[in-house]
Amino acid sequence: QKEVEQDPGPLSVPEGAIVSLNCTYSNSAFQYFMWYRQYSRKGPELLMYTYSSGNKEDGRFTAQVDKSSKYISLFIRDSQPSDSATYLCAMSRNSGGSNYKLTFGKGTLLTVNP
Amino acid sequence: GAGVSQSPSNKVTEKGKDVELRCDPISGHTALYWYRQSLGQGLEFLIYFQGNSAPDKSGLPSDRFSAERTGGSVSTLTIQRTQQEDSAVYLCASSFSSYNEQFFGPGTRLTVL
Repeated sequence: QKEVEQDPGPLSVPEGAIVSLNCTYSNSAFQYFMWYRQYSRKGPELLMYTYSSGNKEDGRFTAQVDKSSKYISLFIRDSQPSDSATYLCAMSRNSGGSNYKLTFGKGTLLTVNP
Repeated sequence: GAGVSQSPSNKVTEKGKDVELRCDPISGHTALYWYRQSLGQGLEFLIYFQGNSAPDKSGLPSDRFSAERTGGSVSTLTIQRTQQEDSAVYLCASSFSSYNEQFFGPGTRLTVL
């Protein structure tokens, strides 16, 4: 079993839909949780960052972390064609200074159709 | 401002040849990372530099892979005697410190024939 599992999709939705993306993980040592967005032929860019459990909102994006279930989610409201990209979850530990070492899910390919 | 740059953007090589991939981090970033992104495995950590030293090389898949960083800036990832399974996108990232956000470059797409 991989440490981080993410459904690769692809996921196709109409413009304006609410999108739900999620990851599960097995290692309870993960404390930092991130979502990256990666456009085709580009490097990933950080979208959302959460420490430990809880919700975080930024514009149309909401990140949720449920450490008891080892489950994280990213919600996109009022999705736009420009949101079409691969979304990667990532997480890291908080021990021994190893917080830099990101463990990624495989990514979910999202297409928002106009 | 300038982001992380990588060169070449694409590299096609023959099995058994050596390749060098270059990364120019954001100016002032002391931490630098190499990752590999392949279809089957997703994005995997390879190595972490703090300044010119590499305290964590745990992700390098074999001794054919090596990396160095000079002047606390540019880094080179070298793959010797390339194999077809080395085909992937190699991504470099940098951050102000190991506790800060990592900024990724566009990657080098390596194809080994």
